[in-house]
Amino acid sequence: QVQLQESGPGLVKPSGTLTLTCAVSGGSISTSDWWTWVRQPPGKGLEWIGEINHSGSVNYKPSLKGRVTISVDKSKSQFSLKVNSVTAADTAVYYCARKDVVWKNFDYWGQGTLVTVSS
Amino acid sequence: QIVVTQEPSLTVSPGGTVTLTCASSTGAVTSGNYPNWFQQKPGQAPWALIYSTINKQSWTPARFSGSLLGDKAALTLSDVQPEDEAEYYCLLYYGGAWFFGGGTKLTVL
Repeated sequence: QVQLQESGPGLVKPSGTLTLTCAVSGGSISTSDWWTWVRQPPGKGLEWIGEINHSGSVNYKPSLKGRVTISVDKSKSQFSLKVNSVTAADTAVYYCARKDVVWKNFDYWGQGTLVTVSS
Repeated sequence: QIVVTQEPSLTVSPGGTVTLTCASSTGAVTSGNYPNWFQQKPGQAPWALIYSTINKQSWTPARFSGSLLGDKAALTLSDVQPEDEAEYYCLLYYGGAWFFGGGTKLTVL
């Protein structure tokens, strides 16, 4: 089955750039599925950030558009998230997930990684 | 900005039945919003339960079911077990973007 693993720095300075990678194993990243980022601030609910498919088409949450970039590297079977100009409000556990293109099924998730924005 | 609303908290007795709902600020939720439901326990990643309104994951217990109820998406738990105590989130699709509800904290007491 598909497995996803997030990685990246756990601490980012305010006004800096948050960069995370999600490694995909147990399946091909080059299928027609969409690869998704979701975050959860401490003690709060889930927030969909955006998604990308194998050909590089992207969709972003409207309120984050302009500050977020999602990219895919098929050769490394991974996709990435960049968030610019971060503030304390970007402190969250970040999850990556797979969404099946036909049924819109968010079936497989990574275990999440905590990113703290602090000086 | 689309707002997806869930009951903040619900309490159910073991063996009972409870229905969680998911409403949209834009109007009626339909199958075209592809409602997804997730369970999350403290310190864990979300666990997918239901997709496209009614479809269960291969691992979803039979006591969980999804539906449309009036103008909302709904998740019904029958014969509730103590291990069902968790936070539940719905997720809806609108024009290229997805929106989570605020979550329902389900207490089994």
